Amino acid sequence: QQPVQSPQAVILREGEDAVINCSSSKALYSVHWYRQKHGEAPVFLMILLKGGEQKGHEKISASFNEKKQQSSLYLTASQLSYSGTYFCGTERDNQGGKLIFGQGTELSVKP
Amino acid sequence: DTAVSQTPKYLVTQMGNDKSIKCEQNLGHDTMYWYKQDSKKFLKIMFSYNNKELIINETVPNRFSPKSPDKAHLNLHINSLELGDSAVYFCASSWTSDYNEQFFGPGTRLTVL
Repeated sequence: QQPVQSPQAVILREGEDAVINCSSSKALYSVHWYRQKHGEAPVFLMILLKGGEQKGHEKISASFNEKKQQSSLYLTASQLSYSGTYFCGTERDNQGGKLIFGQGTELSVKP
Repeated sequence: DTAVSQTPKYLVTQMGNDKSIKCEQNLGHDTMYWYKQDSKKFLKIMFSYNNKELIINETVPNRFSPKSPDKAHLNLHINSLELGDSAVYFCASSWTSDYNEQFFGPGTRLTVL
């Protein structure tokens, strides 16, 4: 079942903050976050595991609410380089990396 | 050095043809994947191999056949190409671990005419 991301798109000015949410109707083992710039490959940002452990980007933070099966990605003091499409990928029951991706959130940061 | 590489980058072909896409990773990872990204940017897993063994085989037409000659390579062969196969195909690799962040290749844009 595909996770649902919100918002679908957001426009920011440099320095502003944004939150992107990812919700699943199923119990999750992990949530991954990736950013994809136009014409490029997705790039790993963050992974959050059931139980609270996480690993990822220094300047980007995220949370995982296991009760709600929801993850949020926090982008603070946004930079122009943050522009792109953000995807969450969810994994159930440690399925050997089988990620089901959300539909993406398009983020545009303007000067 | 490129971590995950794919060839070709662009592939334009006629309906009914057979084509292959190659992927190589030099990260020493033990798991490799194929994803399809359609025109609406929907990214969907197709296959995964762990140490040359098929472990994820999603519902894709059997015209698509992956092959892993060794753990650093994963190729995708597509028979009898159809218009709906037009998409960007990404290869990725990772370790088998809890922290299995996936490293994606640059993608192959396949256009079927």
